[in-house]
Amino acid sequence: DQQVKQNSPSLSVQEGRISILNCDYTNSMFDYFLWYKKYPAEGPTFLISISSIKDKNEDGRFTVFLNKSAKHLSLHIVPSQPGDSAVYFCAAIIIQGAQKLVFGQGTRLTINP
Amino acid sequence: SQTIHQWPATLVQPVGSPLSLECTVEGTSNPNLYWYRQAAGRGLQLLFYSVGIGQISSEVPQNLSASRPQDRQFILSSKKLLLSDSGFYLCAWSVRPGTNSPLHFGNGTRLTVT
Repeated sequence: DQQVKQNSPSLSVQEGRISILNCDYTNSMFDYFLWYKKYPAEGPTFLISISSIKDKNEDGRFTVFLNKSAKHLSLHIVPSQPGDSAVYFCAAIIIQGAQKLVFGQGTRLTINP
Repeated sequence: SQTIHQWPATLVQPVGSPLSLECTVEGTSNPNLYWYRQAAGRGLQLLFYSVGIGQISSEVPQNLSASRPQDRQFILSSKKLLLSDSGFYLCAWSVRPGTNSPLHFGNGTRLTVT
């Protein structure tokens, strides 16, 4: 049962434009949602998170939007830069207990010059 | 500052051989520790997590086991590797439950079973 889904395996965006990465979830008990960025042969690094009681969180070029009624969140990167090319994982967590992070399948973002 | 060390970076093992991957965390006490596996097209799958020494929870039935002999040491093992055990294994840590602190990952181990 895939509780967190990223239905787009890849996305290609021109440098300077906006990148929008999407994520859907099924479990309404999730407390936080997180985005991770991963380069090849490296571990994922934390990018940005949002509490389930908020609908937007912004950090520099990165903004995460949460639509609880639709069980959908998105990561906006603007302007997109070549260094943003990586695999992006959406993740969700229920903070009670052992903090098990549930990940989506990932979306490979390619920024074209 | 906290750091996480995971080794080896790459490993090629024959089918039926044993496995031992080690992960250590520095700069924090009583962390939650996790083993994830990234398989092609399947994202990051949680294999094991531990909230304390000797406490291991398994998420999926499999050919692997985990142990936590010390507070900041997490080991992933197998007695006999299968071809399907190939993948990218990631160790991670976080602070105790009750917070929303993100997981911090090591650089991973690429395991190829031949």
